[in-house]
Amino acid sequence: GIQVEQSPPDLILQEGANSTLRCNFSDSVNNLQWFHQNPWGQLINLFYIPSGTKQNGRLSATTVATERYSLLYISSSQTTDSGVYFCAVERLGAQKLVFGQGTRLTINP
Amino acid sequence: GAGVSQTPSNKVTEKGKYVELRCDPISGHTALYWYRQSLGQGPEFLIYFQGTGAADDSGLPNDRFFAVRPEGSVSTLKIQRTERGDSAVYLCASSSRRDRREAFFGQGTRLTVV
Repeated sequence: GIQVEQSPPDLILQEGANSTLRCNFSDSVNNLQWFHQNPWGQLINLFYIPSGTKQNGRLSATTVATERYSLLYISSSQTTDSGVYFCAVERLGAQKLVFGQGTRLTINP
Repeated sequence: GAGVSQTPSNKVTEKGKYVELRCDPISGHTALYWYRQSLGQGPEFLIYFQGTGAADDSGLPNDRFFAVRPEGSVSTLKIQRTERGDSAVYLCASSSRRDRREAFFGQGTRLTVV
């Protein structure tokens, strides 16, 4: 099956810092999503981004499908950005999302 | 509804008992998925429904696990003879699977087998 690798596994930053989270995948995809899992376990949709670049406030994402990676950028981090960020992909011809192991982001005040 | 709804939020059961977990997808979404998330891990796929039929059940760990979606909307995940290793958060997601394949997740059911 398709492999999804996220890096770094853990990231600790001070409030106001910028961060870049990476997601590498091993096959062609027709769906890629970024999620933020909050402390209550809810997966919050951040981006649906099988290709291209999108921005939403302080967050932006880029997927380069031909090179099989995606990046999530968080600027001017806030303590509420803390949590686990997951990348999930759906391989061409498949019908399910496969998740990476996540990046645990901790923003200290 | 406005989002994917799962009940109960928490379920504690004794080893060997039978449990049912319910998922109410976003209205109009034809695709429904069940995932399982263990502590410190990413969600793992269990089963996918397109309409009423299970199109892919390759993630079900064994025959103690079964899921139904009889009318193409609400789904129930059923676990027989529960084991302590079944303890996890069970997540449900739905998608319209038309031009946009974005999946939306419920808040999950935390199952604890004691």
